[in-house]
Amino acid sequence: EAQVTQNPRYLITVTGKKLTVTCSQNMNHEYMSWYRQDPGLGLRQIYYSMNVEVTDKGDVPEGYKVSRKEKRNFPLILESPSPNQTSLYFCASSRQGLGEQYFGPGTRLTVT
Amino acid sequence: KQEVTQIPAALSVPEGENLVLNCSFTDSAIYNLQWFRQDPGKGLTSLLLIQSSQREQTSGRLNASLDKSSGRSTLYIAASQPGDSATYLCAPNSGGYNKLIFGAGTRLAVHP
Repeated sequence: EAQVTQNPRYLITVTGKKLTVTCSQNMNHEYMSWYRQDPGLGLRQIYYSMNVEVTDKGDVPEGYKVSRKEKRNFPLILESPSPNQTSLYFCASSRQGLGEQYFGPGTRLTVT
Repeated sequence: KQEVTQIPAALSVPEGENLVLNCSFTDSAIYNLQWFRQDPGKGLTSLLLIQSSQREQTSGRLNASLDKSSGRSTLYIAASQPGDSATYLCAPNSGGYNKLIFGAGTRLAVHP
């Protein structure tokens, strides 16, 4: 089944403890991106990647890192999480940047 | 800067009604536009993708139209059912932005 998977689905952590949220797609898509969704602010893009080893900032990149070493994986790294990063995170992929985008199930992160 | 507005913000209707959800965007230079459905706390499910060269796209009881020059898209839901209850999001995709720009959504409740 063609899909975007994210792990973990739920995570509660403490301020400053490094964490990684994984994202993987099995559709051989070139384009991948990360969004966060917050009440009243909607969905905002954090980072995106046009292809392997090509990444760029979205609208709200501060406090996040990404890497794209393989085509199928696009992990989101929070090196020192803070409470304002408590949010619902989505990974998305598409065949190319302007194609139909498919979203993962989301990761609900709480930072205390 | 692309801005997306969805009207109405919320809608509550009895089962069986035909519905119209509206989406407007400020930058008409879009490549395509996607409509998504989001159930509470869940991921985004792609409903329809309309290319900028298309006027309409249909899937089952759903029909989406696009008037790129006026910056408008409409999602029409025929014979609504309780299972249609969700938040509906529109998101134009502009090449220059390398991302989807989301509206705040229309929260739909269909009651039996």
